Amino acid sequence: KNEVEQSPQNLTAQEGEFITINCSYSVGISALHWLQQHPGGGIVSLFMLSSGKKKHGRLIATINIQEKHSSLHITASHPRDSAVYICAADLQGAQKLVFGQGTRLTINP
Amino acid sequence: DAGVIQSPRHEVTEMGQEVTLRCKPISGHDYLFWYRQTMMRGLELLIYFNNNVPIDDSGMPEDRFSAKMPNASFSTLKIQPSEPRDSAVYFCASRDRAEQYFGPGTRLTVT
Repeated sequence: KNEVEQSPQNLTAQEGEFITINCSYSVGISALHWLQQHPGGGIVSLFMLSSGKKKHGRLIATINIQEKHSSLHITASHPRDSAVYICAADLQGAQKLVFGQGTRLTINP
Repeated sequence: DAGVIQSPRHEVTEMGQEVTLRCKPISGHDYLFWYRQTMMRGLELLIYFNNNVPIDDSGMPEDRFSAKMPNASFSTLKIQPSEPRDSAVYFCASRDRAEQYFGPGTRLTVT
């Protein structure tokens, strides 16, 4: 079993839909990262959170430390949100990330 | 700051050749990471440095891979000899105590 599991692996939705991507981890963490990678593109950090909730524009990330679970939500999704979203656990005391396998999101117009 | 800089952006080489990938981290960041991304295995940490010192190289696949950080503004990842299974995108990233900032990656193809 991977230390960081994401679901779903693939997600296709229509423009405007509310999107949720889930991440569960089994290791001790100091923080949880959400990353975005467009096709053929670089990797961009969206959020780093250690508790509660963060919001940036239409993106919201939440984390439940007790349940070892995080979610990334996208409101009013748009085709430009189509990308791979990667959850990464920041290992406690180690300064290194362990990655989920990624969720490929496609938003159709 | 220009962000994390990697070169080359694309490299095509023949099996058996030496490959050197280069990275310039963001100034002031004291951690530097090398990652490899493939379709099969996703993102994997190869090695990371703190203040130019290698801390964890457990992800380096085999002795053909080596990495150095001679100073705070430069690191190299070398593969010698290269093999077709080394074909991947190699990312460098740097961080201070917070988020990681990724470079644009080097797409390596070994034929």
